[in-house]
Amino acid sequence: GAVVSQHPSWVICKSGTSVKIECRSLDFQATTMFWYRQFPKQSLMLMATSNEGSKATYEQGVEKDKFLINHASLTLSTLTVTSAHPEDSSFYICSARGGQGITEQYFGPGTRLTVT
Amino acid sequence: GQNIDQPTEMTATEGAIVQINCTYQTSGFNGLFWYQQHAGEAPTFLSYNVLDGLEEKGRFSSFLSRSKGYSYLLLKELQMKDSASYLCAFMDSNYQLIWGAGTKLIIKP
Repeated sequence: GAVVSQHPSWVICKSGTSVKIECRSLDFQATTMFWYRQFPKQSLMLMATSNEGSKATYEQGVEKDKFLINHASLTLSTLTVTSAHPEDSSFYICSARGGQGITEQYFGPGTRLTVT
Repeated sequence: GQNIDQPTEMTATEGAIVQINCTYQTSGFNGLFWYQQHAGEAPTFLSYNVLDGLEEKGRFSSFLSRSKGYSYLLLKELQMKDSASYLCAFMDSNYQLIWGAGTKLIIKP
């Protein structure tokens, strides 16, 4: 099956700094990537959808200037949490899909962010 | 509008069978997914149903009734490692996944 990787697996940063999380599709071309956030004991919350080469579409309530998403190639998308605060501490998960009309969506292993 | 609902928590005994239900409402539908998520890990794909009926995969089976907006995940011969959250999600007309809140399944010896 298709593999999606995320880096780093976990990160601890100080309040006010920025953190970049990478999501890569290793053996397929991901025309669409999704970024989710999951707080403890809660379900996945879609943050944004990004298509290669175009601007990401953010869900209501997600600050696009705080959560910068770049989908520069068919195998890489990045999420940058800018000026991180403790309330941004969460589990961030990306998923990737091969193309419009293709239903299979593959998840990365997730990145646990802790902001101190 | 769109919504999806599943029980918050269920408990079952090792070796037994458990059925996790999921109901949904949507105008556009491109299939129903079930994912398993262990604590601290990302979801892993279990099943996908787009037509009515039962799909069996080893110990796990998934059922869909589109007319009723209803699906269930059936787990047989439960093992302790099956303790996890089970997420159902439907794919809407824009091929976006709409997620349920997840059902935490607790397996007791």
